[in-house]
Amino acid sequence: QKEVEQDPGPLSVPEGAIVSLNCTYSNSAFQYFMWYRQYSRKGPELLMYTYSSGNKEDGRFTAQVDKSSKYISLFIRDSQPSDSATYLCAMSVTGGFKTIFGAGTRLFVKA
Amino acid sequence: DSGVTQTPKHLITATGQRVTLRCSPRSGDLSVYWYQQSLDQGLQFLIQYYNGEERAKGNILERFSAQQFPDLHSELNLSSLELGDSALYFCASSVVGDRAYEQYFGPGTRLTVT
Repeated sequence: QKEVEQDPGPLSVPEGAIVSLNCTYSNSAFQYFMWYRQYSRKGPELLMYTYSSGNKEDGRFTAQVDKSSKYISLFIRDSQPSDSATYLCAMSVTGGFKTIFGAGTRLFVKA
Repeated sequence: DSGVTQTPKHLITATGQRVTLRCSPRSGDLSVYWYQQSLDQGLQFLIQYYNGEERAKGNILERFSAQQFPDLHSELNLSSLELGDSALYFCASSVVGDRAYEQYFGPGTRLTVT
């Protein structure tokens, strides 16, 4: 079993839809939870970061961490075609140390 | 532009050969990370260096080695290359301390082994 599980998709939604992306994990010691966005043939870029449990909102993006269920989510409101990318969840025990990435979910937002 | 540079962008080589990938971190970042991304394995952490010292190892093969130089640039050496080593190799850098979770990725080096 992988430490971090993420459905690779693809996920296809119409423009304006609410998108929900999820990851589950097995290591209860993870404290740092990140979401990266990766456009085709580019390096990943950090979108959101959450420390321990709770929610965090940044514009159209909301990250949620439920440590009791070992489950994290990223919600995208009012999705746009420019959101079409691969979204990778990532987590680590201490910041920057042995970060484990999910497989990434490919998202397509249709105009 | 993340501020992390990687060279070369593309590399095509034959099985059994050796290649060196180079990475320059963002100005001020002391930590450098190497990742391998393939279609079937996703983004795999290989190794981390901090200020010239190896800090953490992930799923790095014995045929692979890395180092970080005094000017903080890093090199990843891949030897006895096999077809399965074909992948995108990313370098990332970060500061230390509270914001160490925030990694900045370079554009990657696409390695094709034929």
